[in-house]
Amino acid sequence: NAGVMQNPRHLVRRRGQEARLRCSPMKGHSHVYWYRQLPEEGLKFMVYLQKENIIDESGMPKERFSAEFPKEGPSILRIQQVVRGDSAAYFCASNREQADTQYFGPGTRLTVL
Amino acid sequence: AQRVTQPEKLLSVFKGAPVELKCNYSYSGSPELFWYVQYSRQRLQLLLRHISRESIKGFTADLNKGETSFHLKKPFAQEEDSAMYYCALRTGGGNKLTFGTGTQLKVEL
Repeated sequence: NAGVMQNPRHLVRRRGQEARLRCSPMKGHSHVYWYRQLPEEGLKFMVYLQKENIIDESGMPKERFSAEFPKEGPSILRIQQVVRGDSAAYFCASNREQADTQYFGPGTRLTVL
Repeated sequence: AQRVTQPEKLLSVFKGAPVELKCNYSYSGSPELFWYVQYSRQRLQLLLRHISRESIKGFTADLNKGETSFHLKKPFAQEEDSAMYYCALRTGGGNKLTFGTGTQLKVEL
């Protein structure tokens, strides 16, 4: 099992562009979580998805951010019209069942110029 | 709202010395506490969870509900323990983890 995969590992965008971050959960895992880590801070929960459903998006900024986990393919975190404050490390985690341990991906480091 | 506090950004100890990484939480219900570790250039991985009450790599942590703490301890630090340690809280029935800001442990020879 290759573990949770995220790509790209590093992403550079200019202000106003769009950023798409991908997460492939571990095999057999149908629950996906996105976290954001700003410099000098801990990981902060953004959104929890199951296949084709957003279960909890209480940590998502109200504008410009969206997430999906389609029936086929990876989960996508999309940030439209990026601003410098979006520069952070974005981590994805997955588990098989809700109460199970969450396994983390290596993260995507987004830099907005 | 739940919160996790790790008061030390950096903890430096000598090899063979005892280690205690502090973690305090605020939550009024029954919490589930975790310690995650991130070694250099590796992904975040679970070190231990209070429910399992196991010892991993010599580390232990006891949930103290009276003091709302879940400190991570190891009697004799090893060089390979140098890493970033995060305490995390999951609240009853929820899915999301609330993380502390992390403590960088540096074990010196």
